[in-house]
Amino acid sequence: DTEVTQTPKHLVMGMTNKKSLKCEQHMGHRAMYWYKQKAKKPPELMFVYSYEKLSINESVPSRFSPECPNSSLLNLHLHALQPEDSALYLCASSQDLGTGYKCTFGSGTRLTVV
Amino acid sequence: QKEVEQNSGPLSVPEGAIASLNCTYSDRVSQSFFWYRQYSGKSPELIMSIYSNGDKEDGRFTAQLNKASQYVSLLIRDSQPSDSATYLCAVNTRAQGGSQGNLIFGKGTKLSVKP
Repeated sequence: DTEVTQTPKHLVMGMTNKKSLKCEQHMGHRAMYWYKQKAKKPPELMFVYSYEKLSINESVPSRFSPECPNSSLLNLHLHALQPEDSALYLCASSQDLGTGYKCTFGSGTRLTVV
Repeated sequence: QKEVEQNSGPLSVPEGAIASLNCTYSDRVSQSFFWYRQYSGKSPELIMSIYSNGDKEDGRFTAQLNKASQYVSLLIRDSQPSDSATYLCAVNTRAQGGSQGNLIFGKGTKLSVKP
């Protein structure tokens, strides 16, 4: 069982919808991440939060809006997405932000934009 | 541009054989190296981490790191059909001017273990 929990596991949304992806971890990790993975491609970093503050935004379009309400939760708010945004969205966490820390991934949310 | 290169495969080995997966990276100051296993439709699962030159063994898995050659590999001994998956090499590099690092993934090598 993964220690990073993501909900929902599957999501189908229209291009005019607003939805949110949720991620939760109770390992006391202080760094949390959103990755996007297209089929047969490696995960691509979207956002990094460290101590509940946005640390890295990899030039992600504004239709993706991250939020970190507390040290255990990470949300990704979606609005006006395009079909090409369909992908597996992965949340991950690590003990801290730095080169030596291991990332643990959640099981992902498979998003389909219609 | 920091890059991590892997052969995409597929790499096919018979059950019981040794599977050898290779990875090279471009950023010489990289400090941490990880191997993730990803089954089709699932999320990546960390199976090995290595930080210093040499070999690190964990069960049937051995990670090898050569920083001078900017090369990291994963050996899987006594390969089983359940090892069939995509193996992602990930390198954590130090961001310019800072101490934090980001994981950069290779494209992954698809391994198929035939019974």
